[in-house]
Amino acid sequence: RKEVEQDPGPFNVPEGATVAFNCTYSNSASQSFFWYRQDCRKEPKLLMSVYSSGNEDGRFTAQLNRASQYISLLIRDSKLSDSATYLCVVNREYSGGGADGLTFGKGTHLIIQP
Amino acid sequence: EPEVTQTPSHQVTQMGQEVILRCVPISNHLYFYWYRQILGQKVEFLVSFYNNEISEKSEIFDDQFSVERPDGSNFTLKIRSTKLEDSAMYFCASTFGASNEKLFFGSGTQLSVL
Repeated sequence: RKEVEQDPGPFNVPEGATVAFNCTYSNSASQSFFWYRQDCRKEPKLLMSVYSSGNEDGRFTAQLNRASQYISLLIRDSKLSDSATYLCVVNREYSGGGADGLTFGKGTHLIIQP
Repeated sequence: EPEVTQTPSHQVTQMGQEVILRCVPISNHLYFYWYRQILGQKVEFLVSFYNNEISEKSEIFDDQFSVERPDGSNFTLKIRSTKLEDSAMYFCASTFGASNEKLFFGSGTQLSVL
């Protein structure tokens, strides 16, 4: 099973629509979860961290289900500028004294159409 | 906003040649990383670096790779004898704490091995 699995898409949605992405992860020791956004040929940029209680940042809502090892991202009132690849990212349990690398999903490609 | 800077933005080299990719992390950050992304593939962790030593490395980071922090500002990735399959976008990243909560990526160096 892949460490972090995402539907690659593309998701084609009209401007103003609500769209949701899912992600599953295989390592139950994962402790931190993030959604990153990556524009074509650019660096990943942190969109939001994902907390156990769920969290919201404007039009974006992230949810975590540890029992099912599942993360979601919801985008409301989508805008043309939301077109990008959305990367699900997890971090293993931090053992202290160093820094662990992040594990990235391959990403879900979103296209917002006018 | 402070940023991670990488040079060069593009590097073309012949197979078997050595390359050095350079990064200047954000000045008060303590944890440094290299990631790579082969075209169309996921972002992959290579190595993390803290307190002047490697904290963790992936199986990709073999004996051909090395990292160095030669002074107080630069963080370099050296590939001793490049292979065709080393062609990728290489991203440097840094963060203040080890939790990866706010990981900042540079804009990347596109390495092409011919």
